[in-house]
Parts: sequence; structure tokens; C-alpha cells
Amino acid sequence: KAGVTQTPRYLIKTRGQQVTLSCSPISGHRSVSWYQQTPGQGLQFLFEYFSETQRNKGNFPGRFSGRQFSNSRSEMNVSTLELGDSALYLCASSLGASSSGNTIYFGEGSWLTVV
Amino acid sequence: GENVEQHPSTLSVQEGDSAVIKCTYSDSASNYFPWYKQELGKGPQLIIDIRSNVGEKKDQRIAVTLNKTAKHFSLHITETQPEDSAVYFCAASRGNNFNKFYFGSGTKLNVKP
Repeated sequence: KAGVTQTPRYLIKTRGQQVTLSCSPISGHRSVSWYQQTPGQGLQFLFEYFSETQRNKGNFPGRFSGRQFSNSRSEMNVSTLELGDSALYLCASSLGASSSGNTIYFGEGSWLTVV
Repeated sequence: GENVEQHPSTLSVQEGDSAVIKCTYSDSASNYFPWYKQELGKGPQLIIDIRSNVGEKKDQRIAVTLNKTAKHFSLHITETQPEDSAVYFCAASRGNNFNKFYFGSGTKLNVKP
């Protein structure tokens, strides 16, 4: 069974640009959540989607957005990039039907560098 | 919100020794506690988890214990091997928060051969 697939793996963007990251969950998983990982702040929750609906979101500015498609694939977008957005962006999937206690499985992440 | 504290930040052990990593959480409503291992350049990999209705869980050389009263949980690795070297994260989540996990700051485990 294939794991969580994230693309692209590495990318470099310039301040002010926008970026879109893609995530394909494990087959059969309907929940996708996104996390940002930085050396200073650690792993921080961005948002979670289930059946194309955002069910929860973290404390990030509106420049960070996401969506989920009918096949459960998800994308996240960061607009007007800032240097501080440089991070590893991790996607995690789960069966997700429950509102709590779901086991989440991470992909390898997308490394974003903003210059 | 929830606050998860993890220590130590680094841990160095000799191959074959045991390693223990501890986490505390602040939200008494937290009820699910997974542990992840992250190797360099990779995403976190789930290694073991425990739910609030269980006090201990074991999987071969790995075990996790949970003390709900004290609000802390620990990861125990016995007979450590060089391939156990990685960064380990604890996490906590509560009901009705739809996969919003709060993570500890990580422990870098170095197993010396």
C-alpha cells in the first residue's frame, strides 16, 4: 500500500511569490491534515480536511489556505511568501471518520525555502 | 490550548542500553498520545501510540506508559541499536479536534555503537 505522497519535495521561492503544495493520502484515507515544521517552532498544525470540508484550523495567518478534492487529494497554498515561511511542510492522512483519536500517517514533506 | 513538554532534548546512550523519553501535557481532556520517529530528511513515522483508557502498551523493544493523574507519558526503548538514532516526538490530541495534534519539541537520540 502506497504511503502519503507529497509533491514537490523541494522548492525555492522568492519573497512575495505564492506556492502550492500537493498531497495524495493513503488509499482509503479521507482525512488530510497539514503541519509546518521549523527548528524554532517545531511541528505546528495548519488545518485538516475531511470529505472536502475544513474541520479544524490552527493559528496561522490567512495567507495559508488549503483545499481537498473529491478523491481526497489535498493542496495547500501560501500566498505573499515571507522569509519565515521557510519550513518543511508535512501532510498527514488518516481514515478520519472520528472527531478524535485518529492515527495520522505523515508523508516525507515538502521543503520550502523562501529567499 | 494544549501544551506538550518533552525532555530531554538530546539523549546519548550506548548500544544495548535503554532509553527513556518523557512528555507532560497540560490539557486533561487529551486522550490520544502517539510517538513518532523522524530520521534525517524524512517525515515523522508512527512507532507506537496509547489511548487514555490504557496505562501501558508494548511493541517488541518499544513501550509507552501513561499516567493520566500526573498528565505525563513516556517512551521506553530497550536494547537500543544504532538504527534507533533519530529524533523522537511525542504528541497529544483531545476529543473533537479533528486531527489537531500538539507536538513536543523533540528528543535527538544518539545510539553509540
